Amino acid sequence: AQSVTQPDIHITVSEGASLELRCNYSYGATPYLFWYVQSPGQGLQLLLKYFSGDTLVQGIKGFEAEFKRSQSSFNLRKPSVHWSDAAEYFCAVGDSNAGNMLTFGGGTRLMVKP
Amino acid sequence: KAGVTQTPRYLIKTRGQQVTLSCSPISGHRSVSWYQQTPGQGLQFLFEYFSETQRNKGNFPGRFSGRQFSNSRSEMNVSTLELGDSALYLCASSKGLAGESEQFFGPGTRLTVL
Repeated sequence: AQSVTQPDIHITVSEGASLELRCNYSYGATPYLFWYVQSPGQGLQLLLKYFSGDTLVQGIKGFEAEFKRSQSSFNLRKPSVHWSDAAEYFCAVGDSNAGNMLTFGGGTRLMVKP
Repeated sequence: KAGVTQTPRYLIKTRGQQVTLSCSPISGHRSVSWYQQTPGQGLQFLFEYFSETQRNKGNFPGRFSGRQFSNSRSEMNVSTLELGDSALYLCASSKGLAGESEQFFGPGTRLTVL
């Protein structure tokens, strides 16, 4: 069965600093990979996705992620964090044989210091 | 274009009761998925419906059921509520079933079981 691990439960960065959120997955084939963001009281918003091709994917709000098959990782990065980026971030994996079902990691809560 | 809507947004029930939650997908979307989000278990897939048929099901007891109507609106029902059913229930819609389709999440229904 597929699984997703986000090793960092909480991360605090200063505004303007760079950010990297870690995600490791377990899946037999090439997975569909996603990063979502959830603000308090809100649903999930898709930041970016990887299906195939270029392993560096660009998303919304200045985020990017890199798929590394050898490390089973799909880390999310942003060069300069804004206070409005404070939220919870979820990495998810999809299975091409299971419709739109997603398996989510436990999430990383990002706090931004002024 | 209107997003995914979920009703009601908040619900309080007592143990043993049953509850029905509703999800209206984005116009033109035929797939609706449901997820349960709790602090302890995180985001877990419940089931997915496409063209009125359940296509995938997560590992939840039979007390959790759902259906989809011809207009793609979906409902989920939880019978004989338990305290552990307190959660944020999210639904997501997408155009297709391929897994590559972007899923759009609603704001969720916050269910509290007393």
